[in-house]
Parts: sequence; structure tokens; C-alpha cells
Amino acid sequence: QKEVEQDPGPLSVPEGAIVSLNCTYSNSAFQYFMWYRQYSRKGPELLMYTYSSGNKEDGRFTAQVDKSSKYISLFIRDSQPSDSATYLCAMKKAAGNKLTFGGGTRVLVKP
Amino acid sequence: ETGVTQSPTHLIKTRGQQVTLRCSSQSGHNTVSWYQQALGQGPQFIFQYYREEENGRGNFPPRFSGLQFPNYSSELNVNALELDDSALYLCASSSTSGMSGETQYFGPGTRLLVL
Repeated sequence: QKEVEQDPGPLSVPEGAIVSLNCTYSNSAFQYFMWYRQYSRKGPELLMYTYSSGNKEDGRFTAQVDKSSKYISLFIRDSQPSDSATYLCAMKKAAGNKLTFGGGTRVLVKP
Repeated sequence: ETGVTQSPTHLIKTRGQQVTLRCSSQSGHNTVSWYQQALGQGPQFIFQYYREEENGRGNFPPRFSGLQFPNYSSELNVNALELDDSALYLCASSSTSGMSGETQYFGPGTRLLVL
């Protein structure tokens, strides 16, 4: 079983809809949680970064972390065709330097 | 502010050959991490360099090695290439090493194809 699980999709939504993404994890040592966006044949771009449990909002993006359930979410409001990409969740322990990624969810926003 | 850059963008090698990939860290960052991303999968941590020394390694064999230079740029070397080494190789830079709170910023990657 992988440490971080993420539905590969694709997740197809109409323009303007809310995109809901999530990851589950098994290692309770993870303390830092990130969401990256990756366009085809490009490097991952950091979208959101949160520490421990709670919510964080940045523009159209909201990240939620529920450590008791080992579950994290990313919501994208008012989705645009330019949001079509693969979204990767990543996690890190308090000590150490390695990011552990989910497999990514491919999102398609249709005009 | 200059972002993370990597070279070359694409590379084709044959099985058994050796390859060197290069990375320049983002301005102000002193730590470089390398990841391997196979097609359709998330990145896998290879190793990290801080102060010119390896500082943490993932589940990769010794034929994967690296260097970090005084200007914080880095190289990833892979010897005895295998077909399964075909992947996107990503470099990420950050401003501290092994401490809480730092975030990693990725370069565009080098796509390696082993034939």
C-alpha cells in the first residue's frame, strides 16, 4: 500500500464549477501538506502549503487538512479551462527533507 | 528572482550508458533535491544536497549519485542506465535543509529516454 493515495481521475467539470480533490495517507508523522499543479511536460508548481490540521484559503483555492482522518483536500472555485492540469498532493514529516507525493489527479475543465 | 533551471530539457541514451543532468537552484536557495517522475506517477525522492553533501536519500541504488557545487547548483549522475530509468527528472530547491517549514520549488525537469 502506498503511503499517499490519490485518485488518478480524470476529473471532468464544466467551466465555473467547483473542483474537489483529495488525498489520503497512512503515516501519522506527516506534518506539512502541499498541493502542486503540473501542466503536461512541465515541472510541478506549488499552489498551497499548510502545516498540521486546518484550512487555508488563497484566492480561488482552499486547502483543508484533517489529520485525525489522515485526509487532505483542495477545492478550486470558479474553475477555468486554464486549471486543466494534474494536481499532486505532497507531504513531509517534521524532521527530514523528503516530499512524499500522491500519484496525481488529472483535471479537465471544459469551456 | 531567477527560478530553478535544468539542462538539458530532453535526452536520449541507450542502456548501459551514463548520463549527467544539471540544475541551478533558485536565487537565495542553498538546498537541492532530486526526484524521478515516471509517466503517470507522482515524483519519487532520489536524494537531497545541502552544503555540498548528500543529506537524505530515497530508495534508489548507488548508481544514482550527485554533486552540489559552492554556488548551490547540482548534478545528478546515473550510471549503467536501465530501460526503467526513462522518466522526468525534477530538481527542486529550498532555502534550508531538514528543518520544518521550508518549501521546495521545482524546475521544468529533464526528460530522459533510455532505449
